[in-house]
Amino acid sequence: EDQVTQSPEALRLQEGESSSLNCSYTVSGLRGLFWYRQDPGKGPEFLFTLYSAGEEKEKERLKATLTKKESFLHITAPKPEDSATYLCAVGGGDYKLSFGAGTTVTVRA
Amino acid sequence: DSGVTQTPKHLITATGQRVTLRCSPRSGDLSVYWYQQSLDQGLQFLIQYYNGEERAKGNILERFSAQQFPDLHSELNLSSLELGDSALYFCASSVAVGQPQHFGDGTRLSIL
Repeated sequence: EDQVTQSPEALRLQEGESSSLNCSYTVSGLRGLFWYRQDPGKGPEFLFTLYSAGEEKEKERLKATLTKKESFLHITAPKPEDSATYLCAVGGGDYKLSFGAGTTVTVRA
Repeated sequence: DSGVTQTPKHLITATGQRVTLRCSPRSGDLSVYWYQQSLDQGLQFLIQYYNGEERAKGNILERFSAQQFPDLHSELNLSSLELGDSALYFCASSVAVGQPQHFGDGTRLSIL
């Protein structure tokens, strides 16, 4: 069974204080690793897809990287509007997505 | 706005009742997925349809069923409701299997 573990569960940052979120996974035949952002009362918002080890994707202050066992989401110089829960999910051989429990990021001004 | 529309936004009902949740996917998306999100379980995959046909099943209870219609909208039917069914139910869609899924804002189901 595919498994996804995210750490830490919660992260409190000062505005401008860069940090990284971790997503460790085990999957039978990785079809893609997905990062989402979820705001309270909203559905997950798609951020990135990574397909193979060594791949990197960037969007504004966010950068996602992938190795054979884990992915990192780097937040550079975060702003209060980056506060959200960040979810990691893996698609396995059957293409079903398995989600981690998420990391809740709070950025203080 | 993801382009995925879910109705209703909130639903309050009693144990033993039956409800239907509706989802309209993004224009052009053929795959529809249903998820349940509760505080203690996180996002759990329930079922997937592609162009009207069931493609994959996750941890979906026998009391739950779904279908995708010719116009590609989907409905999730929940019956004999129990207190533990209280959760957020999300629909997502993608252009094809394996492509990024885009989520609606969910239906919050409360069982009293």
